[in-house]
Amino acid sequence: EIVLTQSPATLSLSPGEGATLSCRASQSVSSHLDWYQQKPGQAPRLLIYDAFNRATGIPARFSGSGSGTDFTLTISSLEPEDFAVYYCQYSITFGPGTKVDIK
Amino acid sequence: EVQLVESGGGLVQPGGSLRLSCTASGFTFSKYWMSWVRQAPGKGLEWVANIEGDGSKTNYVGSVRGRFSISRDNARNSLSLQMNSLRAEDTAVYYCTRVSGAYDTSEYWGQGTLVTVSS
Repeated sequence: EIVLTQSPATLSLSPGEGATLSCRASQSVSSHLDWYQQKPGQAPRLLIYDAFNRATGIPARFSGSGSGTDFTLTISSLEPEDFAVYYCQYSITFGPGTKVDIK
Repeated sequence: EVQLVESGGGLVQPGGSLRLSCTASGFTFSKYWMSWVRQAPGKGLEWVANIEGDGSKTNYVGSVRGRFSISRDNARNSLSLQMNSLRAEDTAVYYCTRVSGAYDTSEYWGQGTLVTVSS
């Protein structure tokens, strides 16, 4: 069973700053890694699929990279609406999430 | 526009049963795998079950296997989750999702329905 680890658990940043979130798999998942965003009281939303493809309607400031066991979600310049929890997923396994909050 | 609307959540006693429903619109329902994903209060996401487009294949997380049953009615664009022998640890918001690709990407999500198991 593949285990996903996300770091850091919490990232405290200011609007306009860049964010780098990490997801590490316990064994290779090739490029089959997705990223979701969840805001309080809302359902998750797909951001990135297959490591680097932006989902429909996702702004270009969100980008994904990586393959094998190490993946990164980058937000180039944080907008106020980007403060949320971010989850990575491989197949039926989700990571524990990274909370991006306002510094 | 793809829409997924869950219903059927509520308060149930331990050992009881509940049936969740998800009504889909805006796409050809029978062409897609569908899944249920849950989130316990204040916790992360947990995949629960999925079902192939024609209903012929189903999969479950170990903690619900034998207690939960996923099904679909393609004529009614409806997905269901029958939950029996409910436990306190099943308390969560349950999301219906449309799955894309070969690796269970949940491309679209419903708003969720809350199930509370408590005496």
